[in-house]
Amino acid sequence: DAGVTQSPTHLIKTRGQQVTLRCSPKSGHDTVSWYQQALGQGPQFIFQYYEEEERQRGNFPDRFSGHQFPNYSSELNVNALLLGDSALYLCASSRQGASTDTQYFGPGTRLTVL
Amino acid sequence: DAKTTQPPSMDCAEGRAANLPCNHSTISGNEYVYWYRQIHSQGPQYIIHGLKNNETNEMASLIITEDRKSSTLILPHATLRDTAVYYCIGVPTGSYQLTFGKGTKLSVIP
Repeated sequence: DAGVTQSPTHLIKTRGQQVTLRCSPKSGHDTVSWYQQALGQGPQFIFQYYEEEERQRGNFPDRFSGHQFPNYSSELNVNALLLGDSALYLCASSRQGASTDTQYFGPGTRLTVL
Repeated sequence: DAKTTQPPSMDCAEGRAANLPCNHSTISGNEYVYWYRQIHSQGPQYIIHGLKNNETNEMASLIITEDRKSSTLILPHATLRDTAVYYCIGVPTGSYQLTFGKGTKLSVIP
């Protein structure tokens, strides 16, 4: 049973560029959440996608956008990159309708903005 | 969501039980207590969750006090691979997001 996968593992970009990160959920899961983890901090919720719609959003600017595909996989897009966007980006998947909607995390994508 | 309070760090001798406390005095009746851990530079790993009753799985046990204001995660026989940051999180039923605090850095000592 495949767990949550993310690509790429590492990424280096320069300020002002745009980046796309990808996530495939755990088998049987239909909901994808994205988190940002700056160095030394806990993960911060960016948004969650269910049925190809953004269902809830954390305190992140519109430069952060996402998409969910019919196969439940998801992309996170960040435009106009800033140095402060350097972080570990985590994807978590869960199954809607489960009693507690437990989220399972992928290994993350390490983004460095120079 | 309930604010949770955890000690910033703890040590545990290898082979001994690790008992990680969490205070969540403002937890509401429909809020679950979730525990995750994060080994350096990896994604958080789900450990266990509970609402009112004590829970046990292959990784750990979760003891929740009767008034639900605190809980303890127990790793029965800690190994060096259990060295990680452990997060206790209050999650209301139907909530879409996990709100991570600073967690407890557990160091398992040989």
